[in-house]
Amino acid sequence: AQSVAQPEDQVNVAEGNPLTVKCTYSVSGNPYLFWYVQYPNRGLQFLLKYITGDNLVKGSYGFEAEFNKSQTSFHLKKPSALVSDSALYFCAVRDSNTGFQKLVFGTGTRLLVSP
Amino acid sequence: SQTIHQWPATLVQPVGSPLSLECTVEGTSNPNLYWYRQAAGRGLQLLFYSVGIGQISSEVPQNLSASRPQDRQFILSSKKLLLSDSGFYLCASTQGYEKLFFGSGTQLSVL
Repeated sequence: AQSVAQPEDQVNVAEGNPLTVKCTYSVSGNPYLFWYVQYPNRGLQFLLKYITGDNLVKGSYGFEAEFNKSQTSFHLKKPSALVSDSALYFCAVRDSNTGFQKLVFGTGTRLLVSP
Repeated sequence: SQTIHQWPATLVQPVGSPLSLECTVEGTSNPNLYWYRQAAGRGLQLLFYSVGIGQISSEVPQNLSASRPQDRQFILSSKKLLLSDSGFYLCASTQGYEKLFFGSGTQLSVL
């Protein structure tokens, strides 16, 4: 079965500095990888996805993520953090061998950007 | 793009009372539908998914059930709520291998 690990409960970064939110995954087939963001008391919003192609994926709000097959990672990055980026971030994976589009989420990483 | 309507936004129910949360989807047909629960503002647990009308799969044994009476309608129910049913419930929809669209969620408090 597929699984996702987000090893950091919280990431703290100063505004203007680069940020990285880590994600590793485990699947039996090819991974379909996603990042979502959640603001307080709201549903999740899609940021970006990797299905196939270039390992560097660009998404919404200046975020990008790098797919690394050998390290089974899909870390979320942004060159310059904003205070408004503070939110809960979820990595998710779908396994091409599953046969059904079941998306499994990590436990989430809280990003706190200080002014 | 798809729009997910979920209601109510908040709900306070006594232990032992019934539950019905409704989710409807616009902007697509024959979607895959999901119910997730999020406890304490963190990880999401997949509760149920559906690939079509009347087709429900349960991911975890629990006090809840789901139904899909129409193509774009997904209902989460319980006959008798438990304290442990409290949480933030999210409905989601997708087609194929594309991204999930989420509703705005229902905060359920069982007292």
